[in-house]
Amino acid sequence: DAKTTQPPSMDCAEGRAANLPCNHSTISGNEYVYWYRQIHSQGPQYIIHGLKNNETNEMASLIITEDRKSSTLILPHATLRDTAVYYCIVPRFGNEKLTFGTGTRLTIIP
Amino acid sequence: EAGVVQSPRYKIIEKKQPVAFWCNPISGHNTLYWYLQNLGQGPELLIRYENEEAVDDSQLPKDRFSAERLKGVDSTLKIQPAELGDSAVYLCASSLNGGDGNEQFFGPGTRLTVL
Repeated sequence: DAKTTQPPSMDCAEGRAANLPCNHSTISGNEYVYWYRQIHSQGPQYIIHGLKNNETNEMASLIITEDRKSSTLILPHATLRDTAVYYCIVPRFGNEKLTFGTGTRLTIIP
Repeated sequence: EAGVVQSPRYKIIEKKQPVAFWCNPISGHNTLYWYLQNLGQGPELLIRYENEEAVDDSQLPKDRFSAERLKGVDSTLKIQPAELGDSAVYLCASSLNGGDGNEQFFGPGTRLTVL
């Protein structure tokens, strides 16, 4: 997998947009960027994935830079339930084998 | 729709004892994964099944760990004998298939404590 670098922790005020960065400078042309999150005592949950274009779904938006060396996950209106560890993953072999790393621990502050 | 079901949720055993975890994936999902998650770390893949075939077991410690997915539906992961270092959360996940865009759905995990 392409190596990803994420800040170990971040805080965000409730109701604000949470912007979680990820660097993946060794990404190759056909590798997707996936985001999962893991709420305490639960299994990971898929959020979103993308290749080149920006993507949006009901949970979040994914902004990928033009050179694809970094991306940002945006939670537009963070709630307390968004407190979790967020993993940015660039798997070499598609979605078959995910290497999670240690992620970013996002804490939403009331 | 029911999600991925795992049992038991918690298990405490003494070292050298055997232990087994069970997983029932989402109906219709062909690909099943077992992950190991140590405290403070992200999950690590142990084994991946496509239907009943184990297509990636390179990270499974085969001297004490075994897994099966008979009939390509539910799966069992076994440890025999367990060691202190096996204390962790064991997660099961499933996906429709293994290709891009097929998100993995995770169960709640089984927390194993080896004393």
